[in-house]
Amino acid sequence: DVKVTQSSRYLVKRTGEKVFLECVQDMDHENMFWYRQDPGLGLRLIYFSYDVKMKEKGDIPEGYSVSREKKERFSLILESASTNQTSMYLCASVGDNYGYTFGSGTRLTVV
Amino acid sequence: ILNVEQSPQSLHVQEGDSTNFTCSFPSSNFYALHWYRWETAKSPEALFVMTLNGDEKKKGRISATLNTKEGYSYLYIKGSQPEDSATYLCAQTHNTNAGKSTFGDGTTLTVKP
Repeated sequence: DVKVTQSSRYLVKRTGEKVFLECVQDMDHENMFWYRQDPGLGLRLIYFSYDVKMKEKGDIPEGYSVSREKKERFSLILESASTNQTSMYLCASVGDNYGYTFGSGTRLTVV
Repeated sequence: ILNVEQSPQSLHVQEGDSTNFTCSFPSSNFYALHWYRWETAKSPEALFVMTLNGDEKKKGRISATLNTKEGYSYLYIKGSQPEDSATYLCAQTHNTNAGKSTFGDGTTLTVKP
């Protein structure tokens, strides 16, 4: 089975901190995605990557950046965390038929 | 931006009831339509992927149909059980860009014992 692992299930960070959310997949998939999920707003795409060192902005990239130095790892970076970035963050890896396999999510609270 | 719309937004049924939800999507540049089940405190789990007009998929009491010409998919649950309580997401993959899918907002199903 494809496994997508997110490094932290829960995180609490202070306003202004630089935050790294890590995601690792073990099936050699080229495409990886970061979403955030907020009540009433569904899944919103932040960034995606279709190859090492390749990235594209999603629908809500402001305040975020990403890094894809290795194929299996896709990191989401909050350059200076703010309270409006408190959310559930989901990473996904995409394989054949473009079906998504999601990680277990990271619930980030910025105080 | 492609819009994928799901209805209803939420649904409450009694155990044993059968139910269905709708996913509407733009029919242009269609590649695939996915259904996911998202239980509280878990990550979304793939249920079905459909690519051809007229596709029907079934897994136990859950089934789905696809109409790409008119741009809709139905998800059916026969004899709902409390463990079916979850948010059901549909997502459309269009054939243009890196496997990116557009997700609907989901239908949240609550099955009362």
